[in-house]
Amino acid sequence: AQSVTQLDSQVPVFEEAPVELRCNYSSSVSVYLFWYVQYPNQGLQLLLKYLSGSTLVKGINGFEAEFNKSQTSFHLRKPSVHISDTAEYFCAVSDGGTASKLTFGTGTRLQVTL
Amino acid sequence: DTGVSQNPRHKITKRGQNVTFRCDPISEHNRLYWYRQTLGQGPEFLTYFQNEAQLEKSRLLSDRFSAERPKGSFSTLEIQRTEQGDSAMYLCASSLGGSSNSPLHFGNGTRLTVT
Repeated sequence: AQSVTQLDSQVPVFEEAPVELRCNYSSSVSVYLFWYVQYPNQGLQLLLKYLSGSTLVKGINGFEAEFNKSQTSFHLRKPSVHISDTAEYFCAVSDGGTASKLTFGTGTRLQVTL
Repeated sequence: DTGVSQNPRHKITKRGQNVTFRCDPISEHNRLYWYRQTLGQGPEFLTYFQNEAQLEKSRLLSDRFSAERPKGSFSTLEIQRTEQGDSAMYLCASSLGGSSNSPLHFGNGTRLTVT
């Protein structure tokens, strides 16, 4: 069984400041890791994914994440946030099996203010 | 590519009524997933199809829930005898193939409110 923990339910940050959203996972097998963003009243949009290879993954909108196997983490970072980054961010894990279904964390609300 | 389309966007129904939601996936995608998202939570897997075959169902999918994908294209999710606990956002996603190399594309969801 897999699980995802997002410890921070809300992260307030000022515009142009850096931000890190934390994600830890638990799995007994090799995993694929994902970050999705959800704007109000919309579905989820893929930000980035880690499948294999380089542990530093770059995604859309200037976000990046680093896979750390020893710490079972996949934290999301952005060096300078914008007001438009205000949204809910979900970390997800897949065991890569035939179903390719995702197990999501509870989400982190990123609130960017001036 | 017009994305994953879900209808209706919102549904308000009285307890005990039946409701049906529709999902139109991206046209070349052979896999279709249904998830449920309650307030303050991440999406939870309900079921998925490869073409017209329903290959897995979560234990969250009680016998009041049924999903179909009759021709391997659009899918419907029906909830019979709705309960207040069924109030949630129902998300549909599609992907191409069975590998995690093919990310899930989500629709905007159907928000169900059971009064």
